Formats: sequence, structure tokens, C-alpha cells
Amino acid sequence: AQSVAQPEDQVNVAEGNPLTVKCTYSVSGNPYLFWYVQYPNRGLQFLLKYITGDNLVKGSYGFEAEFNKSQTSFHLKKPSALVSDSALYFCAVRDSSGTGGFKTIFGAGTRLFVKA
Amino acid sequence: EAQVTQNPRYLITVTGKKLTVTCSQNMNHEYMSWYRQDPGLGLRQIYYSMNVEVTDKGDVPEGYKVSRKEKRNFPLILESPSPNQTSLYFCASSSPRGRAAEAFFGQGTRLTVV
Repeated sequence: AQSVAQPEDQVNVAEGNPLTVKCTYSVSGNPYLFWYVQYPNRGLQFLLKYITGDNLVKGSYGFEAEFNKSQTSFHLKKPSALVSDSALYFCAVRDSSGTGGFKTIFGAGTRLFVKA
Repeated sequence: EAQVTQNPRYLITVTGKKLTVTCSQNMNHEYMSWYRQDPGLGLRQIYYSMNVEVTDKGDVPEGYKVSRKEKRNFPLILESPSPNQTSLYFCASSSPRGRAAEAFFGQGTRLTVV
């Protein structure tokens, strides 16, 4: 069965410092991995995804994520945090083999606070 | 502009009074789904549709119905709402070609059942 874990409910970081939001996953086949961001009173917005190839994926707003197959992780990173990055972040996984259909599993979310 | 539109954004209703939340997308996507978002639980899939007239249950389908008569629309129906269906609901769409497509989400509908 597919599953996603975001071990931190909340991450606090000072503006200008690097940030990491953690995600680990479990799928039976090879994963498609996604990060989405949710700002207050808004729907989820796509940030980036890993399909295959280079383990470092670059996305919107300066975010990037590193796929680590041996650790089954897909941590979201940004070299220098902005106050405007404060939001709720969701990691999601889909099994590329087709097991489970087109189903996408979302993590519980991690709230990021960036302090000025 | 590519978008998924949900209505209403906010809804307060009473137990047992049937309601429908509409969802429409303008991207000609085949795949549409409904999620509910609850604190600490993330997003859980209620129902999904692979194409017109093709729908199936997600993880938490009890108390909900859907229909897909047109490709662009995917309404969520609560025949007899109960307080445990108070939640934030999202509609999403994507194109399944290549299986790696990201989802586009609506703005959300905050439902309160009293």
C-alpha cells in the first residue's frame, strides 16, 4: 500500500536561512513524487515533481527537492527562506506502475513559519 | 486561464438537508477527484472519475455521491449531511496521460453541518 509521512507538523526558520521540509514515502513500485503548497484560503498549488532521472528537482519559487531512493525520501528545500514562503506544504506520492490506479496519496502536511 | 472552479466557497447547513458542491474545470482533463481536508489527516480522497460516466470510490466515500455527465463538471452530493462531514473540500483535475501529471485544485469549499 502507498503511504506518505511528513514527520514534522511545523517547521520554523528565520528569513534568509535555508529550509527543509521532510517527506518519506512507501510504494510497491517506482514512485512519482509531488510537492504542493497551500496558502491561507487557497487551494493547493503544484510546486514540483519527481518522475525519473536527476535526483535533484527544481520547481517554482526557488524550491527544490531531492529524491533519495535508498532512504525513500523526497525532502523539500530552499537555500534562503522568505517570509512569503510561510504556508502549508503537502508531499504526495503516486505509484508509477499503475498499482492502485491513478491514486495519489497525500501526507498530513507541514506548516512552515518563516520569521522576519 | 486554466482553472478549477468550486462553488460555493463557504456553506453552513443543517443535518439532513441535501446539498451539492459544484466543480468545473476548463482544461479538458479526463481525471477529476474530490478530497476532504481535516487537521492532522491531510487530504483524503472521497471519489474520483477517470472520464465521463466513469466514477469510483476513494478512501472515504461514505455519505457522498458524485456524477460525471460531462467532462468538465464533477459535482459532489451530500444526500443527508451529518456533522462529521464538516470539513474543507477540494476538487482537483489532471490529465492521466503518462501518469505523471500534477493535479490542479479548486479554491476549496468550507462546509459546516450543524
